Amino acid sequence: EVQLVESGGGLVQPGGSLRLSCAASGFTFSSYEMNWVRQAPGKGLEWVSYISSSGSTIYYADSVKGRFTISRDNAKNSLYLQMNSLRAEDTAVYYCARVGPWRCLDYWGQGTLVTVSS
Amino acid sequence: DIQMTQSPSSVSASVGDRVTITCRASQGISSWLAWYQQKPGKAPKLLIYAASSLQSGVPSRFSGSGSGTDFTLTISSLQPEDFATYYCQQANSFLTFGQGTKVEIK
Repeated sequence: EVQLVESGGGLVQPGGSLRLSCAASGFTFSSYEMNWVRQAPGKGLEWVSYISSSGSTIYYADSVKGRFTISRDNAKNSLYLQMNSLRAEDTAVYYCARVGPWRCLDYWGQGTLVTVSS
Repeated sequence: DIQMTQSPSSVSASVGDRVTITCRASQGISSWLAWYQQKPGKAPKLLIYAASSLQSGVPSRFSGSGSGTDFTLTISSLQPEDFATYYCQQANSFLTFGQGTKVEIK
């Protein structure tokens, strides 16, 4: 069974940092591209970042470029999102999601809540 | 950037109704479109990919159609468990989601 489990969310002050993790199981993690997607409270879905299966290709949404860093450790079956210079508008539930056929997101984690507030 | 516009933003319907949700892309995306269902407090669930391919395990009352800029998600006979918010997502250039359509009980 495919499982994605996020962790690392919490309350952080504006300007602070946080590192999210996503533990993958039930599939060959190293063969799949991955994404981070977020959802602000009561709002829609927003794509945040993409990483290729090897980690060699990375993309970011303009809203997080220069502040967030995506990475992966295929030996540990884990995906990461390092978030620096956090702003109030970064408050959201963050999901990791596996890329499936035609670049859909076929499996999602349960999400981890990041709250940026003083 | 490719913008995705869903309509309507919300729809009130009864069990057994046929429901249609539309998604329009700001430029052609071929068939690089997926549909998701999200219930409160839960992660999105993939329903349709490649505009019209049904994800394994998803009931056949869900169907998708379209290509280019105009796409449709149809629920042929609404069931109680289908009351949720639905999102389209393009994958032609990075990823962009529509704003969502909430299907509510009439």
